[in-house]
Amino acid sequence: DIQMTQSPSALSAFVGDRVTITCRASQNINSWLAWYQQKPGNAPNLLIRKASSLESGVPSRFSGSGSGTEFTLTISSLQPEDFATYYCQQYTVFPLTFGPGTKVEIK
Amino acid sequence: QVTLVESGGGVVQPGRSLRLSCAASGFSFRTYGMNWLRQAPGKGLEWVAIISYNGKSNYYAESVKGRFTISRDNSKNTVYLQMNSLRSEDTAVYYCAKAAETGSTPFDDWGRGTLVTVSS
Repeated sequence: DIQMTQSPSALSAFVGDRVTITCRASQNINSWLAWYQQKPGNAPNLLIRKASSLESGVPSRFSGSGSGTEFTLTISSLQPEDFATYYCQQYTVFPLTFGPGTKVEIK
Repeated sequence: QVTLVESGGGVVQPGRSLRLSCAASGFSFRTYGMNWLRQAPGKGLEWVAIISYNGKSNYYAESVKGRFTISRDNSKNTVYLQMNSLRSEDTAVYYCAKAAETGSTPFDDWGRGTLVTVSS
């Protein structure tokens, strides 16, 4: 199975800050990586697929980059509604696997 | 708009069975693969199973292989998860999610989830 790791596991930031989350895969997944946002009590929401392709309706302050085994999710200017947990997911091979999540909190 | 509504969750004793359902609307159900995922309380996301658009192929997480069965009825726009030999570690919110692509895939629409609690 492909193992996904994320760093940091949690971070505190101010509104307006630039935030970067890193996701690493245990083997090459090319660009078959997705990012999700999950707010408490809600289902996850797909933000980005294929490492950098923004889903329709997702604000442009979100961006993704990377390929192979290292990927990043960047929020260019953190907004109050962005405080949530973020997960990466590889979809190059079954079983589909997620990172453990990064919780973004208000400083 | 896409709507996915899970049902069938509840409290069940270890070793017993439960069947979850997910009713879909707002898209051409018969042309998309469908998935079940789960999230244990306070934990991360775990993919459980996928079924192809026509029901002819499926894959499972190792943790549920041989105990859980995914199926679908395209005439009813519904996907199911039959869960047998339940264990305490199966306690989670179970989500139904639509496959965004064919084959291995991200998930572009999710239901709100149904809670399964395995406890004596």
